[in-house]
Amino acid sequence: DAKTTQPPSMDCAEGRAANLPCNHSTISGNEYVYWYRQIHSQGPQYIIHGLKNNETNEMASLIITEDRKSSTLILPHATLRDTAVYYCIVFRGGSNYKLTFGKGTLLTVNP
Amino acid sequence: NAGVTQTPKFRILKIGQSMTLQCTQDMNHNYMYWYRQDPGMGLKLIYYSVGAGITDKGEVPNGYNVSRSTTEDFPLRLELAAPSQTSVYFCASRTGTGVHYNSPLHFGNGTRLTVT
Repeated sequence: DAKTTQPPSMDCAEGRAANLPCNHSTISGNEYVYWYRQIHSQGPQYIIHGLKNNETNEMASLIITEDRKSSTLILPHATLRDTAVYYCIVFRGGSNYKLTFGKGTLLTVNP
Repeated sequence: NAGVTQTPKFRILKIGQSMTLQCTQDMNHNYMYWYRQDPGMGLKLIYYSVGAGITDKGEVPNGYNVSRSTTEDFPLRLELAAPSQTSVYFCASRTGTGVHYNSPLHFGNGTRLTVT
């Protein structure tokens, strides 16, 4: 799987949009971009994933650049409960089963 | 839906003791995974399974064993506990087959293990 690079930490004001970047310059054409988050010491929670088109669900939006070498996770109106570690992963299922995590970005939402 | 259930939630072991961390899922997922997370660190893959009877090593398998006799259960065995195995252990599962080959992981809430 391609490696990802994320900033170790970010801050965001409550009510503002949180934009979390991820670099995956070695991504291959059939690998998806996934985002998870981990609140406190709970199990990671799936947020969203995409291949090349931008995606949106009830939790967040995912913007993938045209060359697919980077992406941004957007939380449109961050709340204190969004404080968590956010992981960006690139992965393709099918015959590839290993799914590994990096260190992620600690997002702190401030009042 | 219960999802992925891990037991116990907490455990303290003495050096050299053994134990089994239990993981069960009720979503009929083929793929199951064990991760460990040391304080302040990301998740490291220990073992994974692509179906009943099939398991394989991840990044950090030493000191652990797994089995997958049923689709639902994927227990993780520690034979001779060492302080280096103090960690939080997460089990996860995903569908992964057919049109769902890129399905996301579903995680349990973890087992916090201390070896002293």
